[in-house]
Amino acid sequence: DAKTTQPTSMDCAEGRAANLPCNHSTISGNEYVYWYRQIHSQGPQYIIHGLKNNETNEMASLIITEDRKSSTLILPHATLRDTAVYYCIAGAGGTSYGKLTFGQGTILTVHP
Amino acid sequence: GAGVSQSPSNKVTEKGKDVELRCDPISGHTALYWYRQSLGQGLEFLIYFQGNSAPDKSGLPSDRFSAERTGGSVSTLTIQRTQQEDSAVYLCASSFRRTGQQETQYFGPGTRLLVL
Repeated sequence: DAKTTQPTSMDCAEGRAANLPCNHSTISGNEYVYWYRQIHSQGPQYIIHGLKNNETNEMASLIITEDRKSSTLILPHATLRDTAVYYCIAGAGGTSYGKLTFGQGTILTVHP
Repeated sequence: GAGVSQSPSNKVTEKGKDVELRCDPISGHTALYWYRQSLGQGLEFLIYFQGNSAPDKSGLPSDRFSAERTGGSVSTLTIQRTQQEDSAVYLCASSFRRTGQQETQYFGPGTRLLVL
C-alpha cells in the first residue's frame, strides 16, 4: 500500500465544514483512497472511498486531485460527535486483496 | 442489518494462560481480517482469510498466535501462553471480496484484552 501523510491534529468549530487533507504521492493506479474514523474505544468506522472521481455520501465528500497525489475529506457540517481520529488509507484494489495499512491519522476535535 | 460482532468485549487473563477471541462477520462476507491496536498505537494487520483459508498470516507476531475460520463464517483468534505485551484491542473486519473489484472492510467493536 502507498504511504499516506496526514496532519497530526486539527480543530473545527461545530456547524462548520471540516476539511481533512491527505497526501498519497506514491499511490498506484489501481489503489483506492479510503477514509475511516475511530471514535474513542470503538472499532474503525468506514466513511467513504474513491479512485479517481470525487465522491459524496451521507457522511462526507471526498475530493481527489487530478494527479491522485492528494485528497481531502470534507465533513460539511461538523458536530461534536464527529470528534475522532480520521485515517486516510491508500489501499489495494483490483486483483490485490484489501489489507489496510493504518497510519497515525488526524485527531479531529470539534468544539462548540 | 447486523454488523460484525466480536466476543468477549473485554477479557482479563493471567500471564501464561490461553485465550480465544471470536469474530462473527457480516453474513455473506467472504473475506475476514484480524487487526490489533495496542494502547496509543495504530492498527496492525495480523491475518487475512478468504473463505476458510488464510493466504496471508504475515502479521501474526509469534507462533503463540493462531487463527482459524470455519464454514466461511466465524473466526477464532487464539493466543497461547499470553504475555503482558499481548494486551491490546483485537479488531475483526469483514468484506465481500470479489477478484478485481474494490472491497470495503467493516469493523467490529473489538475485544479488549488485558494480560496481568
